Amino acid sequence: EIVLTQSPGTLSLSPGERATLSCRASQNFNINYLVWYQQKPGQAPRLLIYGASNRAAGIPDRFSGSGSGTDFTLTISRVEPEDFAVYYCQQYYSPLTFGGGTKVEIK
Amino acid sequence: QFQLVQSGAEVKKPGASVKVSCKASGYSFTNYDVSWVRQAPGQGLEWMGWISPYTGNTKYAQNFQGRVAMTADTSTSTAYMEMSSLRSDDTAVYYCARVGLVGYWLDPWGQGTLVTVSS
Repeated sequence: EIVLTQSPGTLSLSPGERATLSCRASQNFNINYLVWYQQKPGQAPRLLIYGASNRAAGIPDRFSGSGSGTDFTLTISRVEPEDFAVYYCQQYYSPLTFGGGTKVEIK
Repeated sequence: QFQLVQSGAEVKKPGASVKVSCKASGYSFTNYDVSWVRQAPGQGLEWMGWISPYTGNTKYAQNFQGRVAMTADTSTSTAYMEMSSLRSDDTAVYYCARVGLVGYWLDPWGQGTLVTVSS
């Protein structure tokens, strides 16, 4: 099973700052299977990025994904008030696993 | 508009079973797998498994094998997740989600069903 480790656990930022979230895998896998989600309190997760770097429909271009091998990054170029949430990475290499999440909170 | 709508909250006693439904609309139900994911209070996401509504084939995460059964009714475009021998640590929000055809991303998600296990 591939273990995904997300860091930091919590990121405290002011609106307008840049957010850099990390997702590290315990072994290599196909980047087509790396996904990012956003989850706000009381809501279901929402797909942000698939295939490591492709924005899902309706996702603003301030969100971007990058990486390969075992290291992946989600970047929010300028954090907006509605971006404060928990972010999860996910991979599929049988079985499907999620990272533990990074909470982006208001500083 | 692709949408998954889940059944309402449940309260069960330890040892009981629960069955959660997930009704799909806005797309061809048999063309996409449906996955189930749970989230315990204040915790992260845990994948439980998925089902192909077209074939009925299932794949379960090891933690749930023997205790969970996923089914699908193509006549009503509804997927089901049934869990037996419930314990207090099964208290969680249970989500269904459509599985992407290529990269196994989950989108969209249902609104979630809170299952509370308490004596």
